[in-house]
Amino acid sequence: EAGVAQSPRYKIIEKRQSVAFWCNPISGHATLYWYQQILGQGPKLLIQFQNNGVVDDSQLPKDRFSAERLKGVDSTLKIQPAKLEDSAVYLCASSLRGLAGGGEEYFGPGTRLLVL
Amino acid sequence: SQELEQSPQSLIVQEGKNLTINCTSSKTLYGLYWYKQKYGEGLIFLMMLQKGGEEKSHEKITAKLDEKKQQSSLHITASQPSHAGIYLCGAPYSGAGSYQLTFGKGTKLSVIP
Repeated sequence: EAGVAQSPRYKIIEKRQSVAFWCNPISGHATLYWYQQILGQGPKLLIQFQNNGVVDDSQLPKDRFSAERLKGVDSTLKIQPAKLEDSAVYLCASSLRGLAGGGEEYFGPGTRLLVL
Repeated sequence: SQELEQSPQSLIVQEGKNLTINCTSSKTLYGLYWYKQKYGEGLIFLMMLQKGGEEKSHEKITAKLDEKKQQSSLHITASQPSHAGIYLCGAPYSGAGSYQLTFGKGTKLSVIP
C-alpha cells in the first residue's frame, strides 16, 4: 500500500514570496491533516479535512495560509506572503477513521521550507 | 505551558542498554500515540494506547498508559543503533471541530555502537 506522498521535499524562498505544497493521502483515507513542525518542536495541527470539508482550522493563520482539498483526495497548502517564521517542516497526514473513530494518523515525509 | 511534557529531552545510551521515555499530560488522557521520527523524514506510527493500564509491545519496544497519573512510558529493551531517532508522544484532545493530536516536543535518542 502506498503511503502519504508530499511534494516538493525541499523549498527555499525569500520572504514575501508565495509557496504551495501538495499532498496525496493514502487511498481511501477520508481525513487529511496539515501540520507545521518548527525545529525542536512537535508537530502543530494547522488544518483538518474530512473528505473535502474543513473540520478544524482554528490554528491556521488565515491572513497568509490557505488550504483546500478539492474532490476529497489531494490537498494543497499555500503560504502567501511567506515570513521568516514560516521556516519549518510541513507535514501531511491521513487517517481512515480519524481520531474520534480510534484511528491512527499516517504521515508523509514532509516538505522542508526555508524562508530567507 | 506545554500540554504534553516529555522526558528526558535527549538520551545517549550504549548499544544493548535498556531505556525509558516518559510522557506526561496536563489534561485527562483519552488515549496516547507514540511516533518515531528520523531527521528529514516524516513520523512513523509505533503504537496507540486507548485504555488505562493498557500495555502494548512491538519487537523490543513496550508502551504503557497510566490514565490515573495521566502518563505514558515507552521502554526499549536491548537498544540498537536502528532505534536512534526522535520519539514523539501525541494525545488526542478535543479541538474546535473534532479531536486533534497534540504532540510533545520529542525525545532525541542516540545509540552508541
